Amino acid sequence: NAGVTQTPKFRILKIGQSMTLQCTQDMNHNYMYWYRQDPGMGLKLIYYSVGAGITDKGEVPNGYNVSRSTTEDFPLRLELAAPSQTSVYFCASSFTSNEQFFGPGTRLTVL
Amino acid sequence: LAKTTQPISMDSYEGQEVNITCSHNNIATNDYITWYQQFPSQGPRFIIQGYKTKVTNEVASLFIPADRKSSTLSLPRVSLSDTAVYYCLVGGVMDSNYQLIWGAGTKLIIKP
Repeated sequence: NAGVTQTPKFRILKIGQSMTLQCTQDMNHNYMYWYRQDPGMGLKLIYYSVGAGITDKGEVPNGYNVSRSTTEDFPLRLELAAPSQTSVYFCASSFTSNEQFFGPGTRLTVL
Repeated sequence: LAKTTQPISMDSYEGQEVNITCSHNNIATNDYITWYQQFPSQGPRFIIQGYKTKVTNEVASLFIPADRKSSTLSLPRVSLSDTAVYYCLVGGVMDSNYQLIWGAGTKLIIKP
């Protein structure tokens, strides 16, 4: 099992550009999450999903969108990148709402 | 909404027992308490989870008092490789209602 995979590992965007962060899990988990982690800080929940076709906002959803068309994939879309979105983005999945398995992260810089 | 508070940093020495406490005064009845470990440039990794009293696994123990307003992660006989940031997480997702409150993390430095 690969677990949770994220692509890309690094990305630099210009202000106003758009991009999609990819997340895939092969553990057949129903729950999936997107977090952002700013330098030296804890994790902030952006969006989460409890199953295919179901998504909900987390603590900091503004500027982001998600979709969950399959159990395996949970992409995160940034439509108009802003410098405030410079962060490390982590995707995670879990069988229930308990133990979460995290991907390696995507380091995003918006200039 | 629950808020979690942890010490910003702690130091200890190899072979010692380390206890990290997290305060969560507004914890909800259905919330679980989970602890994660994070190394630089990696995603967090699950350590232990509990609801009340004491839970022990092969790497740590978790102590939760009866009022559940705090919890203590106990790491026995730490080594240099335990140097990391430790996060307390309170809550869980039930259907489409979420309650996931992460602490700001405790940076643990183990010295030889």
